[in-house]
Amino acid sequence: GESVGLHLPTLSVQEGDNSIINCAYSNSASDYFIWYKQESGKGPQFIIDIRSNMDKRQGQRVTVLLNKTVKHLSLQIAATQPGDSAVYFCAEGEAGTYKYIFGTGTRLKVLA
Amino acid sequence: GAGVSQSPRYKVAKRGQDVALRCDPISGHVSLFWYQQALGQGPEFLTYFQNEAQLDKSGLPSDRFFAERPEGSVSTLKIQRTQQEDSAVYLCASTRSGGALNEQFFGPGTRLTVL
Repeated sequence: GESVGLHLPTLSVQEGDNSIINCAYSNSASDYFIWYKQESGKGPQFIIDIRSNMDKRQGQRVTVLLNKTVKHLSLQIAATQPGDSAVYFCAEGEAGTYKYIFGTGTRLKVLA
Repeated sequence: GAGVSQSPRYKVAKRGQDVALRCDPISGHVSLFWYQQALGQGPEFLTYFQNEAQLDKSGLPSDRFFAERPEGSVSTLKIQRTQQEDSAVYLCASTRSGGALNEQFFGPGTRLTVL
């Protein structure tokens, strides 16, 4: 499949370490935020979401933090594994609209 | 079906040709989205359907782009007189209900290359 994110910011982490991927979103009226994982040749895959009335949400090995004051979103991955290697995108949506706005993406490389 | 499917997976067109890209959403999903993803960038919104109604087409880059979903299930994105700048991956996504506060399920995309 084709490569996704040839010139994206890259985060390299050692296998077993924790990863933190950051995203600055654009619309202060956004109500809903999602993190996606995209592997080469595939469509984005949902990881975790959070609504604007929350500032933290945890899933399995992942945590999303939302700071509405500075319009910042982060994704924390615990005990990063080789299968976590991919490009990660944040996306934002606003109630009453139909558009999801995606960020530019970060490539995560897991080093063995 | 188990997920969103798209066809063809790869399409090569000569400049000036028309192309049609198909999306089969998850059965019963009300909403359907089309995105364009250039290499190294995030997906960019093109258009949105709720059932058969096209509620937002503000992301379509020109009048050469046309999308339809006549029976509220399968959708087709048509690009007329393709140009080199149309080369990208075209992604389709569906959600169970309407609006922008729902989990989207993406298909694998169609990679369009215009020569």
